[in-house]
Amino acid sequence: DAGVTQSPTHLIKTRGQQVTLRCSPKSGHDTVSWYQQALGQGPQFIFQYYEEEERQRGNFPDRFSGHQFPNYSSELNVNALLLGDSALYLCASSWGTNEKLFFGSGTQLSVL
Amino acid sequence: GQQVMQIPQYQHVQEGEDFTTYCNSSTTLSNIQWYKQRPGGHPVFLIQLVKSGEVKKQKRLTFQFGEAKKNSSLHITATQTTDVGTYFCAGRANFGNEKLTFGTGTRLTIIP
Repeated sequence: DAGVTQSPTHLIKTRGQQVTLRCSPKSGHDTVSWYQQALGQGPQFIFQYYEEEERQRGNFPDRFSGHQFPNYSSELNVNALLLGDSALYLCASSWGTNEKLFFGSGTQLSVL
Repeated sequence: GQQVMQIPQYQHVQEGEDFTTYCNSSTTLSNIQWYKQRPGGHPVFLIQLVKSGEVKKQKRLTFQFGEAKKNSSLHITATQTTDVGTYFCAGRANFGNEKLTFGTGTRLTIIP
């Protein structure tokens, strides 16, 4: 039984570029949440997807957008990258919107 | 918006000593979860508390949820080197908000 898988594991971009991160939830899970974790900080909630719709959103600008597909996998898109977007991006899946989260290993994004 | 703070930010203990981290929310919580993140790893779910005043134990770990459902604590008895990592509490607000807000974390290091 595969857990939560994220790709790529590492990514280097330059300012102004766009990036797409991908996440496959744990088998049987229907909800995907995305978090941004800066070095030495706690995970910050970006948004949550359930039934292919964005259900909740944290305090992130519109440059951050996402999508959930019929197979429950999800993408996080970030446009017009800033240096401050450098962080570990974590995807977490759950069965339902209020349950415990299972995290993937994350995508380490570096913006130069 | 909802804020979740943890103290202390860092804790260094001798192996065999006890450890406690405290979590405080700016708003009343419907439930609180605890996660552990090993260095270089991703958060892993430990436990969820739902009821006011609830106490749960997992071997050497004791979790408490405050009577007012605004604070929580994690106590580890007789720490071991395997306890190294950052401990995060994460809470959902009590007004139907499904966003899980993570605390600032307490980083535990063990001196052998």
